[in-house]
Amino acid sequence: NAGVTQTPKFQVLKTGQSMTLQCAQDMNHNSMYWYRQDPGMGLRLIYYSASEGTTDKGEVPNGYNVSRLNKREFSLRLESAAPSQTSVYFCASSELRESLLGYTFGSGTRLTVV
Amino acid sequence: KQEVTQIPAALSVPEGENLVLNCSFTDSAIYNLQWFRQDPGKGLTSLLLIQSSQREQTSGRLNASLDKSSGRSTLYIAASQPGDSATYLCAAPRENNNAGNMLTFGGGTRLMVKP
Repeated sequence: NAGVTQTPKFQVLKTGQSMTLQCAQDMNHNSMYWYRQDPGMGLRLIYYSASEGTTDKGEVPNGYNVSRLNKREFSLRLESAAPSQTSVYFCASSELRESLLGYTFGSGTRLTVV
Repeated sequence: KQEVTQIPAALSVPEGENLVLNCSFTDSAIYNLQWFRQDPGKGLTSLLLIQSSQREQTSGRLNASLDKSSGRSTLYIAASQPGDSATYLCAAPRENNNAGNMLTFGGGTRLMVKP
């Protein structure tokens, strides 16, 4: 099925460990995004990539890096995980031409940092 | 900075009721406004997208309206069913949105429809 695929679905890290969250979309969308969702804080934008080859900071970029590997893939890296990064992470893609569809979200990665 | 607020934060209704969820935003110069549904432990599903030039969109039992001048959108759910139980989120594009489609989300309304 067409959509946004995120891996892994669950992850537990120790403080200071690093990891990369993977995201891939097969809808040929130009724009891709990483959000985090925390209780009482809603969804907040971490980084985005308006098109292949470009990335920009969102609202809460500190502690994260991203790579737009190609048009399909957009990864999020935590270099040195901290307990404050415990959250649910969502990848999304969008295409301005598909006005009625808007965003498509992945199913999320639940990350716990202990 | 765009701020999006949703009221109420939680709502419990008996099956069959018609209900309205509210969303307000501070910057009326929005590109569009979207409503999403999120089931527990799941991702977000796009329900309706209203372009800035439109006043409403309908999909089945769902109707979303947009009033840019007052900074408000409403999601109307007709004849609610237990399967409608979920969290509903509205989202609007951020200011200086060079990417054209970055969204600022409201905190959501948790809806429970009781049989």
